[in-house]
Amino acid sequence: GNSVTQMEGPVTLSEEAFLTINCTYTATGYPSLFWYVQYPGEGLQLLLKATKADDKGSNKGFEATYRKETTSFHLEKGSVQVSDSAVYFCALTTGQGGKLIFGQGTELSVKP
Amino acid sequence: KAGVTQTPRYLIKTRGQQVTLSCSPISGHRSVSWYQQTPGQGLQFLFEYFSETQRNKGNFPGRFSGRQFSNSRSEMNVSTLELGDSALYLCASSLNRGRTDTQYFGPGTRLTVL
Repeated sequence: GNSVTQMEGPVTLSEEAFLTINCTYTATGYPSLFWYVQYPGEGLQLLLKATKADDKGSNKGFEATYRKETTSFHLEKGSVQVSDSAVYFCALTTGQGGKLIFGQGTELSVKP
Repeated sequence: KAGVTQTPRYLIKTRGQQVTLSCSPISGHRSVSWYQQTPGQGLQFLFEYFSETQRNKGNFPGRFSGRQFSNSRSEMNVSTLELGDSALYLCASSLNRGRTDTQYFGPGTRLTVL
């Protein structure tokens, strides 16, 4: 079946540190890949997405590249801020109509 | 353009009761999906509606049901509530239901079952 595996959290970083959150997937068919972010008490916000191999999604300084050969979609940011503290979810869909499959989420805490 | 809205934001119910949650998608979006979020199970897909028809269903008991209206607004219903139904219920809408369509989420309804 289809699944997403994320690195476990929580991840604690100092402001301006480099961030990587690993995400690997298993999918039948050709998935689209997403990163969502959830701030405390809120729903999910789309951070970025990629729909085909070698695509790079980017937004607000975050980047992730769709790597078909390693079935990965790692999230990176060069310099994190306190305001980036949140839970990050990697997800995929294979076009089975409206069904997103999520990883378990990675909590990020950025200290000043 | 207004985002996805969900009402109510918070609900407290007791075991055995039933509850109805409402979701208004982004204007023009035709697909509405529902998810349950719990600390133990994470985010799990409940079901998806498109053109007033349920098109996809997750692995949940029949106590969980939903519907979609002609204006794409959707409701989900949980009957005979159990303690384990306490969760954040998230609704998401997308323009269509293709592989590249992005789902946009509402703020969720926090359901507490006592």
